[in-house]
Amino acid sequence: GAVVSQHPSRVICKSGTSVKIECRSLDFQATTMFWYRQFPKQSLMLMATSNEGSKATYEQGVEKDKFLINHASLTLSTLTVTSAHPEDSSFYICSVNVGGGTEAFFGQGTRLTVV
Amino acid sequence: AQSVTQLDSQVPVFEEAPVELRCNYSSSVSVYLFWYVQYPNQGLQLLLKYLSGSTLVKGINGFEAEFNKSQTSFHLRKPSVHISDTAEYFCAVSVGGNQFYFGTGTSLTVIP
Repeated sequence: GAVVSQHPSRVICKSGTSVKIECRSLDFQATTMFWYRQFPKQSLMLMATSNEGSKATYEQGVEKDKFLINHASLTLSTLTVTSAHPEDSSFYICSVNVGGGTEAFFGQGTRLTVV
Repeated sequence: AQSVTQLDSQVPVFEEAPVELRCNYSSSVSVYLFWYVQYPNQGLQLLLKYLSGSTLVKGINGFEAEFNKSQTSFHLRKPSVHISDTAEYFCAVSVGGNQFYFGTGTSLTVIP
C-alpha cells in the first residue's frame, strides 16, 4: 500500500509564529491529499482537501488564511499554520486515498504545541 | 449525507476476554466500511475493510467485523484480547469518492 510520511512528528512553537507541516506520498502519486485535525480523545475532523496544482478545498469553519495548504507536486502537500495561537495546538494528520476511496493511508501525525 | 456512529466511547475489558466494538452508519448510497486503530501520538492503521462480497471480514491482529446491511452496522469483534490491543478504534465509511467519514472513536482498554 501507499506509504505516507509526515514531518515533523512533534513541534513546539511560540505564539504568533508560523509552522509548516509536510506530508509526502512516498510511493504513490497523489493528486489529492487530505488534512485532518484531531483534538484529544476525539475523532478526525477533515480540515481541507489538498489538490495538486490548484487551490485547496476547505471545510466549513476552517480559516483559509490561517491554515495555508500548498500541493505543489504529486508527492508533497504542506500545511502551514500561520500566526499560531495556543488554541491551534492539536494533532494534525494527512492522508492519501486510493482506489476511488477503497482505502486511505495516513501519515504518522504531527503534534503541534503552541506556547 | 453520511454519518458514522460509534455507540461506545470507552470499552474496558479483561485480558483474554472477547470484545465487540459497535459501529452504525447512515448513508443513502452504497458505502465502503473500515476499521482503523490508532495508538497514542500515531496515525491510523487499517485493521480491516469491507468493499463487497462476503459480509464477514477478517483483519489483522485477530480482529473481524461483520457487515449487516439491514441494520446498517459494521461491528468489530475479537474473541480474545491482549494488552497490546489497548488503543483507540475508529470506524469509517467511504462513499466511493475520496472522502472518508469517521466515527467519534472507541477507546479500548484491556485490563490485566
